Amino acid sequence: QSALTQPASVSGSPGQSITISCTGTSSDVGGYNYVSWYQQYPGKAPKLMIYDVSNRPSGVSNRFSGSKSGNTASLTISGLQADDEADYYCSSYTSSSPFIFGTGTKVTVL
Amino acid sequence: EVQLVESGGGLVQPGGSLRLSCAASGFTFSTYLMHWVRQAPGKGLVWVSRINSDGSITNYADSVKGRFTISRDNAKNTLYLQMNSLRAEDTAVYYCARDWTFRIDSWGQGTLVSVSS
Repeated sequence: QSALTQPASVSGSPGQSITISCTGTSSDVGGYNYVSWYQQYPGKAPKLMIYDVSNRPSGVSNRFSGSKSGNTASLTISGLQADDEADYYCSSYTSSSPFIFGTGTKVTVL
Repeated sequence: EVQLVESGGGLVQPGGSLRLSCAASGFTFSTYLMHWVRQAPGKGLVWVSRINSDGSITNYADSVKGRFTISRDNAKNTLYLQMNSLRAEDTAVYYCARDWTFRIDSWGQGTLVSVSS
């Protein structure tokens, strides 16, 4: 089972907004509203940033938002800050196995 | 506070075995499904296995099916991953993770497994 497709890298200047896409199929992203996004710093464990497409866990900045259209989910980071520089992964529940992750996107703050 | 602490990683030769443990605290372990997720050096996250709350139902990625066994001891609040017939491509940081109804909401710090001769 292949991973969900994400761009390898996205960059932006401080204060700007960036969007990371996550493309799957009707068996995962398109079929369920169980898309999550995780932030991971080098050498650290992932942290849940968005769940159920667009919900933020308590404590996550409202600069992070999620959406979905068809088989593609998106994470938007607004007001980009230096500490947003990290790797970001999407994930989805799937009909064939419980979970599938995206290929990961490295966010660089210029 | 939810805490997941993995242990048991290390260097093992190809074809060897290793058992990972994950000690859980800060929540009612016996009521949650649990996962193992791995990340090869410089690579992305890959789901490995899942177990339901009482240990009666397990799922595996095709890449580890027949070689890895997930289990749990709810009396000890501990999750396990028995890894047999290890291959070089199993080299990764292995994370224990808590399931929250079709999402993963908490992660351990990971334990490194290196398979090399």
